[in-house]
Amino acid sequence: DSGVTQTPKHLITATGQRVTLRCSPRSGDLSVYWYQQSLDQGLQFLIQYYNGEERAKGNILERFSAQQFPDLHSELNLSSLELGDSALYFCASSVEGDRIYEQYFGPGTRLTVT
Amino acid sequence: AQKVTQAQTEISVVEKEDVTLDCVYETRDTTYYLFWYKQPPSGELVFLIRRNSFDEQNEISGRYSWNFQKSTSSFNFTITASQVVDSAVYFCALSESKKINNNDMRFGAGTRLTVKP
Repeated sequence: DSGVTQTPKHLITATGQRVTLRCSPRSGDLSVYWYQQSLDQGLQFLIQYYNGEERAKGNILERFSAQQFPDLHSELNLSSLELGDSALYFCASSVEGDRIYEQYFGPGTRLTVT
Repeated sequence: AQKVTQAQTEISVVEKEDVTLDCVYETRDTTYYLFWYKQPPSGELVFLIRRNSFDEQNEISGRYSWNFQKSTSSFNFTITASQVVDSAVYFCALSESKKINNNDMRFGAGTRLTVKP
């Protein structure tokens, strides 16, 4: 158990809908990262938040957005869903400091868009 | 731009064989970090090792060992005496240390290892 929690574990929804994925980082970790894992694109970095502020952006679509709340949990919002958004979405967290540390991943949310 | 290549898509071995998973990276930074993660069939990503660019010492952890060579931009992972439980997809990843508190980690495509009994 990495200490990172994600809900829900599975999500099935229809095209055009909007969903919210939730993540709670490990205790003490200020950074939260979101990744998408799909068969054709592999494991892709979407976005990072550090202590409530957006810190880095990767291949995140404009239809997707995220935020990190004062209690450090984070939510990833996916809207106008398309079939191609079906994927495993991971959240990860890490400590931060004067060097780069490993990220610990949650169990993931499997999103199926029908 | 940072890039990680895992040329081996799939590897199949018989239990007790040694196996090496290759990882080649590209970066223009002099300071960077390399990682290996394991993704078993259950789906979670499990952290295995982190190595920074200034530490070329090889590391051994039980049956796992890592060989970091800056001269060839490689960070290879060897499993000695493989076991069925080692069956998983293994990912190599790279993070450049351009900014503190910004860990933009890029993953390779992964190598699926199957260990047969």
